[in-house]
Amino acid sequence: KQEVTQIPAALSVPEGENLVLNCSFTDSAIYNLQWFRQDPGKGLTSLLLIQSSQREQTSGRLNASLDKSSGRSTLYIAASQPGDSATYLCAVIGNNDMRFGAGTRLTVKP
Amino acid sequence: DVKVTQSSRYLVKRTGEKVFLECVQDMDHENMFWYRQDPGLGLRLIYFSYDVKMKEKGDIPEGYSVSREKKERFSLILESASTNQTSMYLCASSFVNTIYFGEGSWLTVV
Repeated sequence: KQEVTQIPAALSVPEGENLVLNCSFTDSAIYNLQWFRQDPGKGLTSLLLIQSSQREQTSGRLNASLDKSSGRSTLYIAASQPGDSATYLCAVIGNNDMRFGAGTRLTVKP
Repeated sequence: DVKVTQSSRYLVKRTGEKVFLECVQDMDHENMFWYRQDPGLGLRLIYFSYDVKMKEKGDIPEGYSVSREKKERFSLILESASTNQTSMYLCASSFVNTIYFGEGSWLTVV
């Protein structure tokens, strides 16, 4: 059974810092990996999808990487802003299986 | 844009009541999912469906059932609500291994 771990569970940084969120998974036989953002009391909003054949995806200030062989993905946020404060979750998508990490709660202080 | 709509955002129900949580998606997706999300536990899959009238148990199906009579609608049923079912419930639909979430339904069982 796929297990997904996100470290750290919570992170607080001053505005303007670059930061990295980590996601690790135990089974490298995956189709895709997806990063989501969740604001308090809301559903999940997709940020980036990396297919298993890709190494990274970029969208604006966000860059996600994938290393299947080591079972790791990172989400890099450049020049963080208070509006980036949210919980970030990764989801590992395999054959008829989708597993989520518990998330990293990010706070960006003005 | 894909839209996944959960009709009830906030519900308060009494122990023993029968509860229906409704989810509708407008993109003709075959796959639909129900998750619950609890602090520190992340998202846990309750049930999923790959087609009309088809359902599969997820990781925590006990105390729940589902109904998929039409492709666009996937209902989660709590036959006899209990206080340990107080949680946030998230519906999702998926296409080509990417997943879209509704806004969530907060259920409190008293």
